[in-house]
Amino acid sequence: NAGVTQTPKFRILKIGQSMTLQCTQDMNHNYMYWYRQDPGMGLKLIYYSVGAGITDKGEVPNGYNVSRSTTEDFPLRLELAAPSQTSVYFCASRQTGGEYNEQFFGPGTRLTVL
Amino acid sequence: DAKTTQPNSMESNEEEPVHLPCNHSTISGTDYIHWYRQLPSQGPEYVIHGLTSNVNNRMASLAIAEDRKSSTLILHRATLRDAAVYYCILRDVDYGGSQGNLIFGKGTKLSVKP
Repeated sequence: NAGVTQTPKFRILKIGQSMTLQCTQDMNHNYMYWYRQDPGMGLKLIYYSVGAGITDKGEVPNGYNVSRSTTEDFPLRLELAAPSQTSVYFCASRQTGGEYNEQFFGPGTRLTVL
Repeated sequence: DAKTTQPNSMESNEEEPVHLPCNHSTISGTDYIHWYRQLPSQGPEYVIHGLTSNVNNRMASLAIAEDRKSSTLILHRATLRDAAVYYCILRDVDYGGSQGNLIFGKGTKLSVKP
């Protein structure tokens, strides 16, 4: 049981390049999330999904796109990388419903845009 | 969303108890109090949550004030591995959709001295 896995661990992009951050979970969770974390700050929600085929914007969606074609995978796409997107990106997942709200986080992808 | 207030940083000695405070004076009756922590260079991990009564698990205890306007996360014997940023987050019961989303503040950075 690997939990939430993310690839790559590190990446350096040039301004204007594009890339996809991969996220996979093997816990059959319906909910999946993408966060970014800037130095010294808390996590900010980019996009989330409540199930395959359903996605919605979080607090900071501009410059990103997501898709959710399967329960397991939730890739995050950066189309035109900008220095402001330099950050650590975390993917998370959780089960549905009720008071229990444990989100399981991946190890993160550290992205630098130069 | 109800806001939480936490000290920016705290220090503790190894093997001593640690009390991490959180103020949430605008908490609603259906908000659960969740605690997550983030070890250095890792994604956040769930610690504990509660509504009104004090809660214990293998990681920590959560003491909730009678008026619910504040709470305290208690680590009974701090270890070096407990050095992390601790986040106190309020969330409503998840009825589907965005209620289960977590909003992270800056948290409290706990340092543990040997």
